[in-house]
Amino acid sequence: NAGVTQTPKFQVLKTGQSMTLQCAQDMNHNSMYWYRQDPGMGLRLIYYSASEGTTDKGEVPNGYNVSRLNKREFSLRLESAAPSQTSVYFCASSGGQGIKPQHFGDGTRLSIL
Amino acid sequence: RKEVEQDPGPFNVPEGATVAFNCTYSNSASQSFFWYRQDCRKEPKLLMSVYSSGNEDGRFTAQLNRASQYISLLIRDSKLSDSATYLCVVSDNAGNMLTFGGGTRLMVKP
Repeated sequence: NAGVTQTPKFQVLKTGQSMTLQCAQDMNHNSMYWYRQDPGMGLRLIYYSASEGTTDKGEVPNGYNVSRLNKREFSLRLESAAPSQTSVYFCASSGGQGIKPQHFGDGTRLSIL
Repeated sequence: RKEVEQDPGPFNVPEGATVAFNCTYSNSASQSFFWYRQDCRKEPKLLMSVYSSGNEDGRFTAQLNRASQYISLLIRDSKLSDSATYLCVVSDNAGNMLTFGGGTRLMVKP
């Protein structure tokens, strides 16, 4: 069972380069999320998509854009990478009624030099 | 003040010990509560949801105190495999915005 799949798993960029992190889920979930996790900061929500066709800002959206391509896929784009965006990025999805825990992908470790 | 606060630890306990973690949250309108477990360099995984009446799953017991705005996790008979970081998580009404605590690190020693 794939669950939530993120690509790539590791990436090194130079300051100013752009890249897109990909995320796909096969659980037919409506909601998808992008987080970053930094030492001592916990996970912080960057953007989320409550349903196909909608996206909303989270706690730390600056410097990022997202696209909910279809129900399965939710991508995160860094247009001009900065060293402050060095982090571990997690994609998650959730679905169903009532309490909705989230299922996470393996993460993308991104370093910006 | 952080919205969800946890003691970062580490809590170093021997195998077989009982250990408890607390977490406090600031938003009184929060509706849903969870404990997640995260192993080193891995993704967070749901450990258990936390219900108002308290709930138990094997060696794990979660409690919610809405009046004092804290959540607890009790682990009985600790195993080496329980060593991980435990994340307290609180959600808004819609369940879309999860707020994570910084995590409490547990190390269970032989």
